[in-house]
Amino acid sequence: EVQLVESGGGLVQPGRSLRLSCTVSGFSFDDDAMHWVRQAPGKGLEWVSGISWNSGTIDYADSVKGRFTISRDNAKNSLYLQMNSLRSEDTAFYYCAKDKVQAVAGNGFDYWGQGTLVTVSS
Amino acid sequence: DIQMTQSPSSLSASVGDRVTITCRATQRISNYLNWYQQKAGKAPKLLIYAAASLQSGVPSRFSGSGSGTDFTLTISSLQPEDSATYYCQQSHTTPLTFGGGTSVEIK
Repeated sequence: EVQLVESGGGLVQPGRSLRLSCTVSGFSFDDDAMHWVRQAPGKGLEWVSGISWNSGTIDYADSVKGRFTISRDNAKNSLYLQMNSLRSEDTAFYYCAKDKVQAVAGNGFDYWGQGTLVTVSS
Repeated sequence: DIQMTQSPSSLSASVGDRVTITCRATQRISNYLNWYQQKAGKAPKLLIYAAASLQSGVPSRFSGSGSGTDFTLTISSLQPEDSATYYCQQSHTTPLTFGGGTSVEIK
């Protein structure tokens, strides 16, 4: 069974940092690209960042570029999102998602985690 | 960036109705268009990828069509469990972008 489990969310003050993790099982993690997608409460989906199977291609939404860093450790079946200089507008549920292909721009996200809530507030 | 516009933003239909949701891209994206279903409090679920390919395990009443800039998701016979929000997403070019969503309510 494919499972993606996010962790690391919580309440953080503006300007501070947080690191999200996503641990996966049930598939060959190093076969496919991975992504972070967020959803502010009651709002739509926003792609945050994606990383190819071998970390050779990485990209970000403009809204987080320069503040967030995506990475993966294929040996540990884990995906990460380092979030620095957090703002109130970063408050959202953060989902990790598996791509159907190796590349960052591919054919959709076929498995998702349950999400972890990040709240940025003083 | 490629903007994705969905219509309608919400709809209400009866069980058994045929439901159509449209998605338009601001640039040509070939068939790099995916559809997701999200139920309240849950993660999104991939329904259709590459504009018209049915994801494994998804009921055949869901279908997708289109190419270029205009795409359609059709539910051939609406079921009670289809009450959800549906999102399109382009995977042609980063930043990957989603449509604003269509909320489907069962009358």
